[in-house]
Amino acid sequence: QKEVEQNSGPLSVPEGAIASLNCTYSDRGSQSFFWYRQYSGKSPELIMFIYSNGDKEDGRFTAQLNKASQYVSLLIRDSQPSDSATYLCAVRYSGAGSYQLTFGKGTKLSVIP
Amino acid sequence: EPEVTQTPSHQVTQMGQEVILRCVPISNHLYFYWYRQILGQKVEFLVSFYNNEISEKSEIFDDQFSVERPDGSNFTLKIRSTKLEDSAMYFCASSPTGTTEAFFGQGTRLTVV
Repeated sequence: QKEVEQNSGPLSVPEGAIASLNCTYSDRGSQSFFWYRQYSGKSPELIMFIYSNGDKEDGRFTAQLNKASQYVSLLIRDSQPSDSATYLCAVRYSGAGSYQLTFGKGTKLSVIP
Repeated sequence: EPEVTQTPSHQVTQMGQEVILRCVPISNHLYFYWYRQILGQKVEFLVSFYNNEISEKSEIFDDQFSVERPDGSNFTLKIRSTKLEDSAMYFCASSPTGTTEAFFGQGTRLTVV
């Protein structure tokens, strides 16, 4: 059973601060890792993906992956009120023709003006 | 920017009725997926579709469900004899390959009464 765990939050940060969102996964065969943002009542919107150990930066967002610890994180710098949403971690195993995403329950982020 | 489109945005149906949810994936994508999200719960994988056949399905995707690509653009999810517990947001997604990022449509909210 592939599990993806996230702290449900809410995580509250002041505007301009760094928000740190964390995710752990159970299957060591997992190969691809994704962060989606979901506003209430809306669909998941892809923010970043990461495949290799280390950091990947895109604008205000940095994804960090540590496969040995089965841990992936998302840092949001200079947080804005518009970043307030639920952030979903998704993991893809990609073994034996499996391409499905396994999602965590999401962390609700609230950026306080 | 290309996007996945879903229709209808909201569907209300009576228990026991059949519904068809429609999706137009991004045009050059080869892999198509259906996910669902029951209110307040995590996004769950239903089925993936590649080369005009189901490539993977979850335990949720039982005989009540079927998928079809009736032409070169549409991808449908049929739910036969709907039950109250089928009420959820249903998301269609597509990806260029099985290992790259998946993009989600805006979803169809299915309400079974």
